[in-house]
Order: sequence, then structure tokens, then C-alpha cells
Amino acid sequence: AQTVTQSQPEMSVQEAETVTLSCTYDTSESDYYLFWYKQPPSRQMILVIRQEAYKQQNATENRFSVNFQKAAKSFSLKISDSQLGDAAMYFCAYRTSTSKLTFGTGTRLQVTL
Amino acid sequence: GAGVSQSPSNKVTEKGKDVELRCDPISGHTALYWYRQSLGQGLEFLIYFQGNSAPDKSGLPSDRFSAERTGGSVSTLTIQRTQQEDSAVYLCASSLDSGANYGYTFGSGTRLTVV
Repeated sequence: AQTVTQSQPEMSVQEAETVTLSCTYDTSESDYYLFWYKQPPSRQMILVIRQEAYKQQNATENRFSVNFQKAAKSFSLKISDSQLGDAAMYFCAYRTSTSKLTFGTGTRLQVTL
Repeated sequence: GAGVSQSPSNKVTEKGKDVELRCDPISGHTALYWYRQSLGQGLEFLIYFQGNSAPDKSGLPSDRFSAERTGGSVSTLTIQRTQQEDSAVYLCASSLDSGANYGYTFGSGTRLTVV
């Protein structure tokens, strides 16, 4: 079974600084997809960024980028120039073309002034 | 609709009562997913619909939980004889199709409290 591990229950970053959230996963598949979701207090899960495993290039979305290390089964999220609105729970997730999304337990990110 | 709509937003029920949670997916989305999020936990998969059928209901925790989807649209998750451990946020998501090319759009969830 696929598992997703987020080893940092909480992280804190100062406004305008950079923070990296860690995620590792376990799978025997070679073709899969990885995601980072943000969950603010409104509870709605918002897709931040996605990465196809067959792509070597790391995905980027504005201030958000990933470091995808396929051999190490690692998928970290880097947030640059952190803003107060980035404060939320962040979930790493995995799926294959035929499976549903499997989530990690989340990292709560605090952004301080 | 413009997004995934879930109702009610919050529900408090007495132990032993039945509850129904509703999910209205984005129009045209054929895949629909239910997840449960307990306090401080990640999202636990419950059931997945493709159209009106449920190819994967492996995450339903007990036979007190059931779900249906009608007209390829609205889905209802029913919990019978609720227990305190059923207290959680129940999230629904829909997707244009079940393939991984398609992202999930989530609703804002129903917070269920069993007292």
C-alpha cells in the first residue's frame, strides 16, 4: 500500500523568508503523481502544486516550488517570500492513474511578522 | 455549480442518531470522493463514485456508513447510529474524471460533532 509521510507536524517562518516542508512516500509504482494541498481555516483543500513522476523538471507555481527526488521518494515544498496568507495546514498527497489520492498527516505552517 | 457544495456546514447530533451529509459536485464532474478528517489527522479515504456506481468503497469504516449518488450528480453520505468516534470533518471532492490527469476540487466540508 502506498503511504505518505510528513514528519514535521508544525513549522514556523517569518514573513518574507523561505520555508521548506518535507514529504516522503512509499510506492512500488513507477508512474504516479504528487501534490501539495493547502487547507486554510475555511477547511477547503486548495491545490498548490502538482508533479508528474515521469517529469524530471521540478514544478513551480509563482512562489511555490518543489524538490522532487524520485530515487529517494522525496517531495518537498519550498515557499519563497512567505506571506501571512500562507499560514495553513499543508498536505502532501500521492496517486496513480488508477488510484485515489492518499494524503499525509499534514504540516501546520505559521507565518510570523 | 461553480464549486463543490457541501451541506450542512456543521452538524451536531446525539449519539445513536442517524445523519445525512450532502455533496453537490461541480456540474459535469463524473468522479466524486468522500474523505474523513479527524482532529489533527490527515484525510482518510472513505468511498469513490464514478457516475452512480462506487468502484471503491474500501474506506468505509463500518456497515453504519453508506453512500449513494444519483443522476451522476448529488451524493449523500449516511451514518447510522452515530458514535462519538464519528466526530470529524467530512470532505467531498469531485473531478472531471477519475484519471490522475484531473485534479480534485474539494468542498468546505461538514463538521460533524456527536455528543
